[in-house]
Amino acid sequence: AQKITQTQPGMFVQEKEAVTLDCTYDTSDPSYGLFWYKQPSSGEMIFLIYQGSYDQQNATEGRYSLNFQKARKSANLVISASQLGDSAMYFCAMDRRGNSGYSTLTFGKGTMLLVSP
Amino acid sequence: NAGVTQTPKFRVLKTGQSMTLLCAQDMNHEYMYWYRQDPGMGLRLIHYSVGEGTTAKGEVPDGYNVSRLKKQNFLLGLESAAPSQTSVYFCASSLFSGNGGSNEQFFGPGTRLTVL
Repeated sequence: AQKITQTQPGMFVQEKEAVTLDCTYDTSDPSYGLFWYKQPSSGEMIFLIYQGSYDQQNATEGRYSLNFQKARKSANLVISASQLGDSAMYFCAMDRRGNSGYSTLTFGKGTMLLVSP
Repeated sequence: NAGVTQTPKFRVLKTGQSMTLLCAQDMNHEYMYWYRQDPGMGLRLIHYSVGEGTTAKGEVPDGYNVSRLKKQNFLLGLESAAPSQTSVYFCASSLFSGNGGSNEQFFGPGTRLTVL
């Protein structure tokens, strides 16, 4: 069975500093994807970044980068130059790919990030 | 494009009542999903659909039924609501882009359901 572990219930960071949110995963599937979603206090789920298990390079999207260490089964999110608007809950997720082409997501329990001025 | 929409946004039910949550997407996505989010639990998959007329069980399917009669709509039904079904329900859709693609799921705004 797939499992996503986020060990940090909460993180604090000062504005303009970088922060790393931890995510480890467990799967026996040879092909999978890793995602990070942001959930602000308004409640919507916002897709941030994706890393495929066969991707050679770490994914980057603006201030977000995914530190993918396959051997360690970790997929940490790095946010550079934190902004007040980054305060939110962050979820790591992994997909399972079915034979017919679909994929379903397994989510971690999330990390609450608070950015202070 | 409206993306993924959910109806209603809020609902209060009494134990034993039934209701249907509607999810609609205008992105022509093949795959649709229903999740529930409880405090400290992250999102858990209830049911999903890989195409019109097909549905499958997810991690926590008990007490729920679903239907996908049209490609753009995915309905989640509670036949006899229980307090344990108090939660925030999210619908999502995706367009599978192959094993090399992101298969990103696009989420609706959520429905907050309280069962008394």
